[in-house]
Amino acid sequence: GAVVSQHPSRVICKSGTSVKIECRSLDFQATTMFWYRQFPKQSLMLMATSNEGSKATYEQGVEKDKFLINHASLTLSTLTVTSAHPEDSSFYICSASYLSRETQYFGPGTRLLVL
Amino acid sequence: QQQVKQSPQSLIVQKGGISIINCAYENTAFDYFPWYQQFPGKGPALLIAIRPDVSEKKEGRFTISFNKSAKQFSLHIMDSQPGDSATYFCAAASSGGSYIPTFGRGTSLIVHP
Repeated sequence: GAVVSQHPSRVICKSGTSVKIECRSLDFQATTMFWYRQFPKQSLMLMATSNEGSKATYEQGVEKDKFLINHASLTLSTLTVTSAHPEDSSFYICSASYLSRETQYFGPGTRLLVL
Repeated sequence: QQQVKQSPQSLIVQKGGISIINCAYENTAFDYFPWYQQFPGKGPALLIAIRPDVSEKKEGRFTISFNKSAKQFSLHIMDSQPGDSATYFCAAASSGGSYIPTFGRGTSLIVHP
């Protein structure tokens, strides 16, 4: 149980385009979902926290107009990278938890490459 | 400010040896300490976790040792196997912080056959 999926697993796009990444909890209702960014050989950096039906809370330094997060249901959250640029190329990982319990279940990640 | 310090950055161990990764934290409000294992190109997976009311937790070959007074905790991997080669992240979280983890910088473990 407690499986989180992400789609797509990898995406290549041209600079200036927008990219949407989906995060789904497959067998549980995720009251909270998190989005992380990870650069090569570095740790995970929390970008934002989203609760179902409410606006996401962004970490300091993360542009909310550039990284649009929607948590429309208890099983789906989306991250849209708007007007992507090469510096947005990274590994994006979502995670989900249930009712503020301590365990976060991570998705497999999405590799974004902006040309 | 790095709230969770992890060492070493990289570790090479022979098959069958013991791998030890150490972490130290500063915030005494932390009350949940998970370890995550991440393979290249994959998301992290929870390996084992401990709360500060116990000093040790063992699950198979993996053991967490916790020293509350020193604000330190460590992961021991017994009988290390090549399949254990991965990056390991310690983390710390608090119930008051909705259990959002603060991650260490990670340790790249290589187990030679």
